[in-house]
Amino acid sequence: RKEVEQDPGPFNVPEGATVAFNCTYSNSASQSFFWYRQDCRKEPKLLMSVYSSGNEDGRFTAQLNRASQYISLLIRDSKLSDSATYLCVVNMEYGNKLVFGAGTILRVKS
Amino acid sequence: NAGVTQTPKFRVLKTGQSMTLLCAQDMNHEYMYWYRQDPGMGLRLIHYSVGEGTTAKGEVPDGYNVSRLKKQNFLLGLESAAPSQTSVYFCASIGSAYSNQPQHFGDGTRLSIL
Repeated sequence: RKEVEQDPGPFNVPEGATVAFNCTYSNSASQSFFWYRQDCRKEPKLLMSVYSSGNEDGRFTAQLNRASQYISLLIRDSKLSDSATYLCVVNMEYGNKLVFGAGTILRVKS
Repeated sequence: NAGVTQTPKFRVLKTGQSMTLLCAQDMNHEYMYWYRQDPGMGLRLIHYSVGEGTTAKGEVPDGYNVSRLKKQNFLLGLESAAPSQTSVYFCASIGSAYSNQPQHFGDGTRLSIL
């Protein structure tokens, strides 16, 4: 089983749609969680951290479910510019390192 | 305001050649990482360093060596390049691994092995 798993997609949605991505992680002792965004052939960039109580940043909402070991990202009112690959990232307890999911591709179409 | 700088940005090698990728950061970060990214596989950790003079193996260390002689630099070496090492390589750094700080990434190095 992979340490961090994501649905690869692609998710093809029209502008204005609401889309949700889920991610599961294997290590119950994982300490911190992030969503990164990666545009084609570019470096990953932090989209938002994920907090236990859930957090929102504009059209983006992230949630963490420790009991089920998954995190989610909800994007409301999708824009063309949201088209990218979204990476789920988990800071495992051991090794001082982040583990990346393979990413979920989102394509927003007009 | 450089952040993390990787050199070179592109390189084509022949099988068996050697080369070194350089990662430099100007944020005084303790932790530095080398990843490779292949289609459909996400970022996989090659080696990482938790401070000057230290290195550790990641998920896919075979065929690579690293050095961290200076805090600001993390070098990734390929002693004898193989076609399987064709990939995009990203370097990243972070001030503290046990916090909600994000990793800062370089622009990537696109390496092709013929």
